[in-house]
Amino acid sequence: GENVEQHPSTLSVQEGDSAVIKCTYSDSASNYFPWYKQELGKRPQLIIDIRSNVGEKKDQRIAVTLNKTAKHFSLHITETQPEDSAVYFCAANGGSGAGSYQLTFGKGTKLSVIP
Amino acid sequence: DGGITQSPKYLFRKEGQNVTLSCEQNLNHDAMYWYRQDPGQGLRLIYYSQIVNDFQKGDIAEGYSVSREKKESFPLTVTSAQKNPTAFYLCASTSRETQYFGPGTRLLVL
Repeated sequence: GENVEQHPSTLSVQEGDSAVIKCTYSDSASNYFPWYKQELGKRPQLIIDIRSNVGEKKDQRIAVTLNKTAKHFSLHITETQPEDSAVYFCAANGGSGAGSYQLTFGKGTKLSVIP
Repeated sequence: DGGITQSPKYLFRKEGQNVTLSCEQNLNHDAMYWYRQDPGQGLRLIYYSQIVNDFQKGDIAEGYSVSREKKESFPLTVTSAQKNPTAFYLCASTSRETQYFGPGTRLLVL
């Protein structure tokens, strides 16, 4: 089945700096890669996703890049703000048995933005 | 996300007791999922269902059971066989790739 590795597990940045979180996946058939943000005690919320037919996608201060050859994708947050502090999860589809809609998640990155 | 509800928000289980977590969605989604979240472990799949009256085990199904009698509902039972049930349980649903999560149930053992 699919295996997703996420790094780093914790990340601290100064307010206004950029943050980058990286993920690798194992299943070359995976073609959908979402990123979720989870605040303490809350549900994960989808913040951006990318499909394998594009290499980069941006939404205001957030961008995701995908390198299919190397099987890795990254989340970039520019001009970080204290409200960006949360746990971020990457995921990839194509897990065993459930068809292409099942997601396999990374273990998460706890981002702290220091004012 | 508002179309997926979970209850209760907190649940306390006594040793040897079975407890059931509720998950309901009004998004007309076909597939539903149950995840367990422990600190530092990310989201681990317990069970999933792609259509009514059919469901499959995920990566950590031991000690859990589910049913899918209606499209809108996918309850999870934590049985007495699950020796370490303390965790945050998340239900999700999807019509295609994008998964939307419910607010979660925190299960604690007395």
